[in-house]
Amino acid sequence: DQQVKQNSPSLSVQEGRISILNCDYTNSMFDYFLWYKKYPAEGPTFLISISSIKDKNEDGRFTVFLNKSAKHLSLHIVPSQPGDSAVYFCAASELSGSEKLVFGKGTKLTVNP
Amino acid sequence: ETGVTQTPRHLVMGMTNKKSLKCEQHLGHNAMYWYKQSAKKPLELMFVYNFKEQTENNSVPSRFSPECPNSSHLFLHLHTLQPEDSALYLCASSPIGNNQPQHFGDGTRLSIL
Repeated sequence: DQQVKQNSPSLSVQEGRISILNCDYTNSMFDYFLWYKKYPAEGPTFLISISSIKDKNEDGRFTVFLNKSAKHLSLHIVPSQPGDSAVYFCAASELSGSEKLVFGKGTKLTVNP
Repeated sequence: ETGVTQTPRHLVMGMTNKKSLKCEQHLGHNAMYWYKQSAKKPLELMFVYNFKEQTENNSVPSRFSPECPNSSHLFLHLHTLQPEDSALYLCASSPIGNNQPQHFGDGTRLSIL
């Protein structure tokens, strides 16, 4: 049973608009969450993270929101750029085993010029 | 440019062959990881090494044999693999400690004939 779920396999947005990627988790022991971006033929690249003591973390155009009661997090990209087109993976870990990342299946984002 | 280098990038082997995947990191990290990504599945953690010691074996079959001679190098020795072992194998590294993002290499695409 998947502990980290990304229910949208793909998302398409116009350049300049906001992209919102969603992630749900089932394990209440998760307390550290990360987003990775992956281009074809490359490995995942760390994008942004958030710990459970926060509900928002911002880094430039990227903001991650965490709703612990709903076991839901989201990644907002604004404004979206064509270079943001990639597969985005959500990942989570428990404090006691923080090296054990559990990944979602990913969402393919396409930003159209 | 990634600080984690994996070789080879592509490997085709028969079920009776023996081959090795290599990973090298230049980031000064002390934890290294092997992941497997099969088609339409999330990344799955296989092994974790902290300071050259294996700390996690995620129920991986013995036909996969990891080796970590030092904190900068990680190998995955392969023998008598099965067709279902065809996948993308990703290496990652991180500092040791809580809430440390992992940095990935570009992976080895393995095909078993």
